[in-house]
Amino acid sequence: EDQVTQSPEALRLQEGESSSLNCSYTVSGLRGLFWYRQDPGKGPEFLFTLYSAGEEKEKERLKATLTKKESFLHITAPKPEDSATYLCAVPDIIQGAQKLVFGQGTRLTINP
Amino acid sequence: ETGVTQSPTHLIKTRGQQVTLRCSSQSGHNTVSWYQQALGQGPQFIFQYYREEENGRGNFPPRFSGLQFPNYSSELNVNALELDDSALYLCAMQGVRETQYFGPGTRLLVL
Repeated sequence: EDQVTQSPEALRLQEGESSSLNCSYTVSGLRGLFWYRQDPGKGPEFLFTLYSAGEEKEKERLKATLTKKESFLHITAPKPEDSATYLCAVPDIIQGAQKLVFGQGTRLTINP
Repeated sequence: ETGVTQSPTHLIKTRGQQVTLRCSSQSGHNTVSWYQQALGQGPQFIFQYYREEENGRGNFPPRFSGLQFPNYSSELNVNALELDDSALYLCAMQGVRETQYFGPGTRLLVL
């Protein structure tokens, strides 16, 4: 089965301190990689989809990149409101259903 | 705003009881998936419904069951609740190119 591993599990940054989150995956054939943001007790909020190695997507202070084995979510000059858990996922097919296989997430805290 | 709604927002049950969770969307998505998310973990796929039929299930026992209605709203039913069923339950509507849009979730606590 496809596997997704995220690192680090938790990351604490000062406001304005840039960093990157990692998502590594093993799949039989990549049909996309998804990034979601999740606030405590809420549902995941869709951020990006990447489909091929070398692709990049940006949204405000976030930029997602993709290689053949991993994806990075770069956060530039973060603000406290960027604090959340960031999840990555890959699609898989099970018995005709299209499901998402998630990593365990990176819990990001931005201190003012 | 995904337009996906879930009810109730949270509930408390005791072991052995049964629970029904509900999911709907403002626009008619014909494919809905349910996920279970334990604290500190990523969501785990329970099953998916397409045009009122279950078309795939993850590693969950038969006491987890579902329904999808002609208006594409959906229910998740869990019988004989166990303590380990305590989790956030998420439904997701299928968009284009396998993107899934999640509702706010239902927090279930089993005592």
